Amino acid sequence: DTAVSQTPKYLVTQMGNDKSIKCEQNLGHDTMYWYKQDSKKFLKIMFSYNNKELIINETVPNRFSPKSPDKAHLNLHINSLELGDSAVYFCASSQNQGMNTEAFFGQGTRLTVV
Amino acid sequence: AQSVAQPEDQVNVAEGNPLTVKCTYSVSGNPYLFWYVQYPNRGLQFLLKYITGDNLVKGSYGFEAEFNKSQTSFHLKKPSALVSDSALYFCAVSYGQGYSTLTFGKGTMLLVSP
Repeated sequence: DTAVSQTPKYLVTQMGNDKSIKCEQNLGHDTMYWYKQDSKKFLKIMFSYNNKELIINETVPNRFSPKSPDKAHLNLHINSLELGDSAVYFCASSQNQGMNTEAFFGQGTRLTVV
Repeated sequence: AQSVAQPEDQVNVAEGNPLTVKCTYSVSGNPYLFWYVQYPNRGLQFLLKYITGDNLVKGSYGFEAEFNKSQTSFHLKKPSALVSDSALYFCAVSYGQGYSTLTFGKGTMLLVSP
């Protein structure tokens, strides 16, 4: 019973396309995140939502638009994909937005833009 | 600015030997420190965290970490390494104005040889 699940696991698409990645958590957590891991394995936060409200937006191009229909879901839509968007995108959730709270990660979506 | 440094790209250890993966941090205020592990093609798994209290924190899979305020370090340790411990290890610090944002180190690859 997967705690944080994201789909698809792999996504190969052409430049200029629009794509979405879906994320769901069944942990009853209030807070969800999107992280980007680049080819050097460096991890950086992109967005954070708490109870469907955006609380963190870390200098991400506005081609990236997160949407949280409810607190169990946080989807990521990307417009006009560029080669530099190729990365692994991780969804995560935590019980609340407190600084002492650990995050639980999905398995990642490997996005390849060609 | 908050930051985390993992000075080693890779740590090699023989099975059965003790292992240490190093992490130093720079934060203003009290640090909230975390260790995560990433197995190949998987998401990150939470290992342990330091919030307050005892400087030696015990976590999953026999790992522990020691918080050292004077040296601003939070090294990950295990008394006896297993081949299955081979993975990418991330140290992270939580910061924010009342909400959590994890800043990750660059990661250290741990290779345990039989």
